[in-house]
Amino acid sequence: QKEVEQNSGPLSVPEGAIASLNCTYSDRGSQSFFWYRQYSGKSPELIMSIYSNGDKEDGRFTAQLNKASQYVSLLIRDSQPSDSATYLCAAQESGYSTLTFGKGTMLLVSP
Amino acid sequence: EAGVVQSPRYKIIEKKQPVAFWCNPISGHNTLYWYLQNLGQGPELLIRYENEEAVDDSQLPKDRFSAERLKGVDSTLKIQPAELGDSAVYLCASSLGGGPEQFFGPGTRLTVL
Repeated sequence: QKEVEQNSGPLSVPEGAIASLNCTYSDRGSQSFFWYRQYSGKSPELIMSIYSNGDKEDGRFTAQLNKASQYVSLLIRDSQPSDSATYLCAAQESGYSTLTFGKGTMLLVSP
Repeated sequence: EAGVVQSPRYKIIEKKQPVAFWCNPISGHNTLYWYLQNLGQGPELLIRYENEEAVDDSQLPKDRFSAERLKGVDSTLKIQPAELGDSAVYLCASSLGGGPEQFFGPGTRLTVL
C-alpha cells in the first residue's frame, strides 16, 4: 500500500515568516514528487515538482527532497495571507503516472 | 491556453438517481484522469485513460461507476445508481503523454440526498 503522510495542521504562521510543510512517503519506488495548493472550494493547483535529491527553488517556494529518508518538504518564504490554503503532497512511481496524494496540510498565515 | 473544463460544477440528486460528469482536457493532453476527493482527504484516482484506452481502472467501483472516452479527447464519468456515500468532489485532470505534471479542472461537487 503506497502511502503519503502529511500533518493535517493547521500550521499557523505570521505574515512574513517561513512556513515549513513536510511529507513522508512509503514507496521507495517513488521518483517524482509534487506540491499542490488547494484553496477552500477550489481544485488543486500544481506549484512545485521535484525529481532529484536536494533543493529546488521557484520564487518564494523551495522544495526539498531526501530519498534516503523518504522525505519531501516545501518552504514558503515571506508567507502572505494569500498563501493560506491546504497544501497537498503527491508522489509518483517511476514510469507510472498515477499520483498518490497525502491528505494535505492546512496553512494559515495571519496578518 | 484553456485549462481542463468540467461540467456541471455542482449537482444535487436523490439517492438511486443516475448522474454524469463531463470533462474536456487541455488541448493535446492525451492522458486523462478522474479523481474522487472527499472532504479533508487528498484526491484518489478512479480511472486513467491513455487516449481512448482505460489503462488503470482498478479503483473504479464498477458495479455502479462507468466511464468512457470514445474519441480520446473528452470523457464522461457516470454513476448509476448514486448512493449517499458518493457525495464528494469529482476532479478531472490531464497530462501530456502520461507526463509527471497533472493539471486539474475545477471539479464537480456532487451531493446525494
